[in-house]
Amino acid sequence: DTEVTQTPKHLVMGMTNKKSLKCEQHMGHRAMYWYKQKAKKPPELMFVYSYEKLSINESVPSRFSPECPNSSLLNLHLHALQPEDSALYLCASSRTGTGGSEQYFGPGTRLTVT
Amino acid sequence: SQKIEQNSEALNIQEGKTATLTCNYTNYSPAYLQWYRQDPGRGPVFLLLIRENEKEKRKERLKVTFDTTLKQSLFHITASQPADSATYLCALDMRNSGYSTLTFGKGTMLLVSP
Repeated sequence: DTEVTQTPKHLVMGMTNKKSLKCEQHMGHRAMYWYKQKAKKPPELMFVYSYEKLSINESVPSRFSPECPNSSLLNLHLHALQPEDSALYLCASSRTGTGGSEQYFGPGTRLTVT
Repeated sequence: SQKIEQNSEALNIQEGKTATLTCNYTNYSPAYLQWYRQDPGRGPVFLLLIRENEKEKRKERLKVTFDTTLKQSLFHITASQPADSATYLCALDMRNSGYSTLTFGKGTMLLVSP
């Protein structure tokens, strides 16, 4: 199974809402990632988890809060978002976090903040 | 900071021809360079990875080269087909605080006409 799944596929939320994005992989990968992608732009790295520990936070605002409950699951908790946070949020995983490993991406969650 | 340039935003070619996409970067060379394909509204899909000490890598109709002197990678699709139409992303596999992270170029949108 080389699939990364993400739920929900689409999410519309108000600026005062709290919601969560979920990501799951069963490939035994030890590194997981959150990316943000705006229209016609490349994916931008937000967070890296390696062996279930937050390894890299690319100066992401605190209204985005990642969580890695176990080696297969990755969540992104959202609170008090702004309209400019509307984007495609992609989860990815790789065998290791130390380089030379291809990343497997999920289909993404299309987030709209109203 | 590292800059990545994919020289064409869009490339139109006829079916059966070879598509050549270019990725240039500044500053220091990464240990690895990766190419991904992305279809609209979907997550990127890994295609090829090449190491800094490799000149060329092939997979079926795909070929990638890596020239650390020129700071350039070329990505070729031979005998192109309309199904190859997509955005192709170059990604530098960089070391960041001891972990590997991908920095993507803006991508080249390839359109293969019948």
